[in-house]
Amino acid sequence: RKEVEQDPGPFNVPEGATVAFNCTYSNSASQSFFWYRQDCRKEPKLLMSVYSSGNEDGRFTAQLNRASQYISLLIRDSKLSDSATYLCVVNGGGTSYGKLTFGQGTILTVHP
Amino acid sequence: EPEVTQTPSHQVTQMGQEVILRCVPISNHLYFYWYRQILGQKVEFLVSFYNNEISEKSEIFDDQFSVERPDGSNFTLKIRSTKLEDSAMYFCASSVGLAGDNEQFFGPGTRLTVL
Repeated sequence: RKEVEQDPGPFNVPEGATVAFNCTYSNSASQSFFWYRQDCRKEPKLLMSVYSSGNEDGRFTAQLNRASQYISLLIRDSKLSDSATYLCVVNGGGTSYGKLTFGQGTILTVHP
Repeated sequence: EPEVTQTPSHQVTQMGQEVILRCVPISNHLYFYWYRQILGQKVEFLVSFYNNEISEKSEIFDDQFSVERPDGSNFTLKIRSTKLEDSAMYFCASSVGLAGDNEQFFGPGTRLTVL
């Protein structure tokens, strides 16, 4: 099983749509969870951290289910500028606190 | 806003040559990292560095790789004898702390092409 697994997409949605991305991770000792965004040929940038209680940042909502080892990201009212690759990222458990493990990424294209 | 910088943006080298990729982390950060991303593939952890020594390294980070903080600002990745499969984007990152929600800030990357 891959350490962090995502549906690669691509997701093609119209402006204003709601889109959801899912992710699963294999290491039950993982401590921290994130969604990063990566534009074409650019560096990953933190979109938001993910907490068990769920958290929201504007149009973005992230959820974590530790029991199922499942992470989700919901984007509401999609904008053209949301087009990017969304990376599910896990901060390794045990003594690997600094090592980020990335999923393959889910490609999102928002069209007019 | 402080940012991580990397030079060069693109490096082309011949197989077997040594390359040094340079990074300037954010000034008050204590933890430094290198990641790589082969074209079309996921971002992969190479190494983390703290207090002038390697904290953790991946299987990719073999004897051909080394890291150094030669002065108070630079953090370098050296590949001693490059292989074709080393062609990738190399990202440097830094963070204030190690655990939990300490965000790792990534530099813009160096694209390494090995011919």
